Amino acid sequence: DQQVKQNSPSLSVQEGRISILNCDYTNSMFDYFLWYKKYPAEGPTFLISISSIKDKNEDGRFTVFLNKSAKHLSLHIVPSQPGDSAVYFCAARFSGGKLIFGQGTTLQVKP
Amino acid sequence: DAGVIQSPRHEVTEMGQEVTLRCKPISGHDYLFWYRQTMMRGLELLIYFNNNVPIDDSGMPEDRFSAKMPNASFSTLKIQPSEPRDSAVYFCASSLLAGAPGTQYFGPGTRLLVL
Repeated sequence: DQQVKQNSPSLSVQEGRISILNCDYTNSMFDYFLWYKKYPAEGPTFLISISSIKDKNEDGRFTVFLNKSAKHLSLHIVPSQPGDSAVYFCAARFSGGKLIFGQGTTLQVKP
Repeated sequence: DAGVIQSPRHEVTEMGQEVTLRCKPISGHDYLFWYRQTMMRGLELLIYFNNNVPIDDSGMPEDRFSAKMPNASFSTLKIQPSEPRDSAVYFCASSLLAGAPGTQYFGPGTRLLVL
């Protein structure tokens, strides 16, 4: 059973517009949520995180929103740039350090 | 720092052969993780170590898979015998307990193809 789900395998947006990537989870024991970005032939790299006691965290063009009642988080990228084209993984952390990843969403930003 | 180093980057082998993947974590990191990436299941955690001790191996698919960490700077993931369904990209990652929560540093991965 998938504890972390990214239901959209792919997303295409125009440069300059907002990209919204979504993620759902099932376990209330997660204490942190993270987003990782992955380019082809490279390992994932950390992008942004949010504590389970927060509802928003912002870092430059990237903002993560957490809705605990809905067990849902989203990553907003504004404005989107062609260099943002990558696979984005949502991850949830147990307090012991273990991360559970979603299946990933491929974002394409068109010039 | 060189980052997490994995070898080989690519491996093609025949069904039934033994495969050994290698990982050198970032110096000073006390956690090491092995993941497998497939199209269907995304990134799956196979096993992780803390201070060279295996903590959780519940993600290891079956007895054909084994992992060791003989010292703080080296880990191996072995598949014996390999099967075509083991074809995937295998990532190693390391992190610091005292670092930002959940931040793991990934290696470039080993792309395994079992024919």
